[in-house]
Amino acid sequence: DTGVSQNPRHKITKRGQNVTFRCDPISEHNRLYWYRQTLGQGPEFLTYFQNEAQLEKSRLLSDRFSAERPKGSFSTLEIQRTEQGDSAMYLCASSHPRDGLFYEQYFGPGTRLTVT
Amino acid sequence: EDKVVQSPLSLVVHEGDTVTLNCSYEVTNFRSLLWYKQEKKAPTFLFMLTSSGIEKKSGRLSSILDKKELSSILNITATQTGDSAIYLCAVTGYGGSQGNLIFGKGTKLSVKP
Repeated sequence: DTGVSQNPRHKITKRGQNVTFRCDPISEHNRLYWYRQTLGQGPEFLTYFQNEAQLEKSRLLSDRFSAERPKGSFSTLEIQRTEQGDSAMYLCASSHPRDGLFYEQYFGPGTRLTVT
Repeated sequence: EDKVVQSPLSLVVHEGDTVTLNCSYEVTNFRSLLWYKQEKKAPTFLFMLTSSGIEKKSGRLSSILDKKELSSILNITATQTGDSAIYLCAVTGYGGSQGNLIFGKGTKLSVKP
């Protein structure tokens, strides 16, 4: 399978615990994005990387959230001191440039986080 | 603030019907509009429309971009139960947020046999 993969697919944690998610993008894609989706809403942008550089973070990304892409390949998203409001589907997407511009993003299956 | 509004939020039709989903947007320096289909998992890419490609078609699905009206429609003809999904519209701009997608809430389409 050469698509975007995410692990774990489901995570249940207790409030106050830390969690970490992993995303492996399509191999030739150098842009990687994280989104969060709650029920009845479209995905909301959190942050993105171009290679290993984190180029933008949304205002939604509180200090408890941190993302890394150390070698420009896979990425991790960590949430510290989880809160019930963090319960959501966390989606990863990747894209690559065509004609020097970045176009459609391809999404992974997501990690569903439930904070109890 | 950049935003995307989709209508209707939900729609129930019978197999064989034709449906039109709407998307309107406000974005700084529009670059592209994308349609995704989301079943019980991640969004899957359908179409991308830009200033140089305002109409796309694939099988029973087609989409048109109206840059003057800042809107797009997604048409599905001869609907099938497998078309049941949430259809998401998203836009990107050349403004401060280069590349990240701004999504609408989606239109939930239910196709009854």
